[in-house]
Amino acid sequence: GAGVSQSPRYKVAKRGQDVALRCDPISGHVSLFWYQQALGQGPEFLTYFQNEAQLDKSGLPSDRFFAERPEGSVSTLKIQRTQQEDSAVYLCASSPGAAGDSYEQYFGPGTRLTVT
Amino acid sequence: RKEVEQDPGPFNVPEGATVAFNCTYSNSASQSFFWYRQDCRKEPKLLMSVYSSGNEDGRFTAQLNRASQYISLLIRDSKLSDSATYLCVALWGYSSASKIIFGSGTRLSIRP
Repeated sequence: GAGVSQSPRYKVAKRGQDVALRCDPISGHVSLFWYQQALGQGPEFLTYFQNEAQLDKSGLPSDRFFAERPEGSVSTLKIQRTQQEDSAVYLCASSPGAAGDSYEQYFGPGTRLTVT
Repeated sequence: RKEVEQDPGPFNVPEGATVAFNCTYSNSASQSFFWYRQDCRKEPKLLMSVYSSGNEDGRFTAQLNRASQYISLLIRDSKLSDSATYLCVALWGYSSASKIIFGSGTRLSIRP
């Protein structure tokens, strides 16, 4: 079956531009996570949705970052006024149960964002 | 101190060797642990969960030591295809109020 998909796969933005990154989770998955992964580092948690509810956004680095999942399926991560330090791979993952229920997370291929 | 720490490596070992690496976690309330594998420029994929009593999956063995707050991964008879970055993951909390923390990863390179 279809896995997690993300679009675009690559995005180059000029400093100060706004970007929107899309995630299509596996159908029926309750949980959706966004991570930021810098080169040579592990994924850093950004935010978590259970269905349409954003239950944890403690990892969002600034108020320029905003995420939504209005109908409990597709999610969008928006970054306003991009800065060079936002350059990273943004990974989306989905899971069939709640975050703490120890289900496997299924990752999408990521969006590689480069801010010039 | 990071909440989940791993030796970044790289570990460079010959094919057929046994290799082991550890991961330490700082939150004693952590209740679930995982090893994920990430190939270069690919997404992480679950390798195995780590159970309290330790568990084995083919050539891979995972162990948990709660007293010392570390988990380990042992790979026996390593293959060229085992070359990847191995990410340690700790989870604490329950249901919707939980934290999932990834380590920075340990790079493993298997040479012929």
